[in-house]
Amino acid sequence: GESVGLHLPTLSVQEGDNSIINCAYSNSASDYFIWYKQESGKGPQFIIDIRSNMDKRQGQRVTVLLNKTVKHLSLQIAATQPGDSAVYFCAEGITGRRALTFGSGTRLQVQP
Amino acid sequence: DTGVSQDPRHKITKRGQNVTFRCDPISEHNRLYWYRQTLGQGPEFLTYFQNEAQLEKSRLLSDRFSAERPKGSFSTLEIQRTEQGDSAMYLCASSVPGKLNTEAFFGQGTRLTVV
Repeated sequence: GESVGLHLPTLSVQEGDNSIINCAYSNSASDYFIWYKQESGKGPQFIIDIRSNMDKRQGQRVTVLLNKTVKHLSLQIAATQPGDSAVYFCAEGITGRRALTFGSGTRLQVQP
Repeated sequence: DTGVSQDPRHKITKRGQNVTFRCDPISEHNRLYWYRQTLGQGPEFLTYFQNEAQLEKSRLLSDRFSAERPKGSFSTLEIQRTEQGDSAMYLCASSVPGKLNTEAFFGQGTRLTVV
């Protein structure tokens, strides 16, 4: 398959460890944020979202934290598995507009 | 219908040629989006349809690009007089109406290489 993001920042973790992927967003008007996972040769896959009136949201093995003061978003993956290896993108949006603005992505490599 | 389908998966074309890509959204998804993704970057929004109406267009969508969704189902994206800078992955996504567009499901994309 083709590679997504040959020169992306890379986070390498051991299987079973927790992973934290960070993202700085650009538009203070953005009122919702989404994390996507993209495996090689595939389109982005929704992981979790959060609205700007929240600062934390939890899903299955994932937690998103939002700090609006410094325009920072993070994705925490608990007990990282080899299947979590992929490129992760944050995206920001504004209610009423259809366009999402994606960040540049982080490659997560999980070592067995 | 298991997801958003895009055709072709790969396209190699000579500079100056026209190309057309097709996207079949998930059945009954009335919202359809086109994005472009270059290596090492996140997807960039190109355009959005609600049913057959094209409601948003990015400045990235130059006059060489045209997208249609004539019957509110499948969509086509045409690039005329292709340039090497058009080489990218073209992603289509679809969703049903909701409070956020987090319901958007992406296809696997069409990889365009202009030589």
